[in-house]
Amino acid sequence: GENVEQHPSTLSVQEGDSAVIKCTYSDSASNYFPWYKQELGKRPQLIIDIRSNVGEKKDQRIAVTLNKTAKHFSLHITETQPEDSAVYFCAASRGLNDMRFGAGTRLTVKP
Amino acid sequence: DTEVTQTPKHLVMGMTNKKSLKCEQHMGHRAMYWYKQKAKKPPELMFVYSYEKLSINESVPSRFSPECPNSSLLNLHLHALQPEDSALYLCASSSRAGGTDTQYFGPGTRLTVL
Repeated sequence: GENVEQHPSTLSVQEGDSAVIKCTYSDSASNYFPWYKQELGKRPQLIIDIRSNVGEKKDQRIAVTLNKTAKHFSLHITETQPEDSAVYFCAASRGLNDMRFGAGTRLTVKP
Repeated sequence: DTEVTQTPKHLVMGMTNKKSLKCEQHMGHRAMYWYKQKAKKPPELMFVYSYEKLSINESVPSRFSPECPNSSLLNLHLHALQPEDSALYLCASSSRAGGTDTQYFGPGTRLTVL
């Protein structure tokens, strides 16, 4: 089955700096890659996703890049703010309702 | 309505109890999911229902029994659980079955097994 690795497990940045989280996947048939943000005690919420026919997608301060050849994708957050502090999960799916999550990255943005 | 709701928010049960978790969505989604999330871990897929039929069972112990009475409702029946089953149980839904559509999560039920 699909195996998703996520790095780093923790990330601390100063407010205003950029944050980058990287994920690799094992199944070349995976074609959907969402990113979820989970605040303490809350549900995971989708922040951005990318499909395999696209190499990059941007939504305001958040961007995701996908390298299908290398089987890795990354989340980029620019101009970080304290409210960006949360756990971020990447995930990969082959489109069979079989989404697999990475282990998560705890992001702390220091004011 | 773009929300998935779950009840109860919290549940404490003994190992001999029988209880049920409920999930509801009114977005017309045809795929619904149960996930288990332990503290500081990612959600783990348990079951997937597509068009009210069980399509994926991730080798979950039989003490967890899912049920999909209709396209809006998803239940998880619990019986003879173990303390290690204590976790956050998340329900999710997506518009299509077998596709790559966004999964929307409910707020979860925090289960404690004594």
